[in-house]
Amino acid sequence: EPEVTQTPSHQVTQMGQEVILHCVPISNHLYFYWYRQILGQKVEFLVSFYNNEISEKSEIFDDQFSVERPDGSNFTLKIRSTKLEDSAMYFCASRESVNRNIQYFGAGTRLSVL
Amino acid sequence: GESVGLHLPTLSVQEGDNSIINCAYSNSASDYFIWYKQESGKGPQFIIDIRSNMDKRQGQRVTVLLNKTVKHLSLQIAATQPGDSAVYFCAENSSTLGAGNKLTFGGGTRVLVKP
Repeated sequence: EPEVTQTPSHQVTQMGQEVILHCVPISNHLYFYWYRQILGQKVEFLVSFYNNEISEKSEIFDDQFSVERPDGSNFTLKIRSTKLEDSAMYFCASRESVNRNIQYFGAGTRLSVL
Repeated sequence: GESVGLHLPTLSVQEGDNSIINCAYSNSASDYFIWYKQESGKGPQFIIDIRSNMDKRQGQRVTVLLNKTVKHLSLQIAATQPGDSAVYFCAENSSTLGAGNKLTFGGGTRVLVKP
């Protein structure tokens, strides 16, 4: 069964460092998303991406964050200068088409900022 | 502000019994709702969804009920099994922009199945 793949499963970084989280969405999907979940809290929307551009972003997704689809398969989330409060699980999701609303999630990357 | 919330943070159920997980939403303009199951160390896994033009939808051992009058959503799991132990999230499609389709998640309910 096709699935969303995220790497690494756990990323440890020092405050102020840049990190890039990697995702390979399901191959025929057109819409891509990043969410995050701080320990013990709700899953929160960060950004949606379609047709090589951001279609919507939350207040959390400030200038420190960026997304990119560098090739036909990868979808990355970059945090330029990490802060302690960026520590969370980051989930990538993808959706097939405008008529198919189900978003399929990857297993997540745990980001620990020290 | 708009929010999706859950009434019960933890639900303990005997194996074989039915489970009911509740969710309240506040955005009356939401047109799509979805339930996810999250096991420890894994991402949210799709269970079932429902559009706002329906009030009931059934899947395998699961039923979602939507009451738009009181803005309430529930997930019923029939004959709960140990493998159903997880955190369950409801979410709504809350985008005002058509292509975004962001999901707004509730806080989650932990279901513990007792043998």
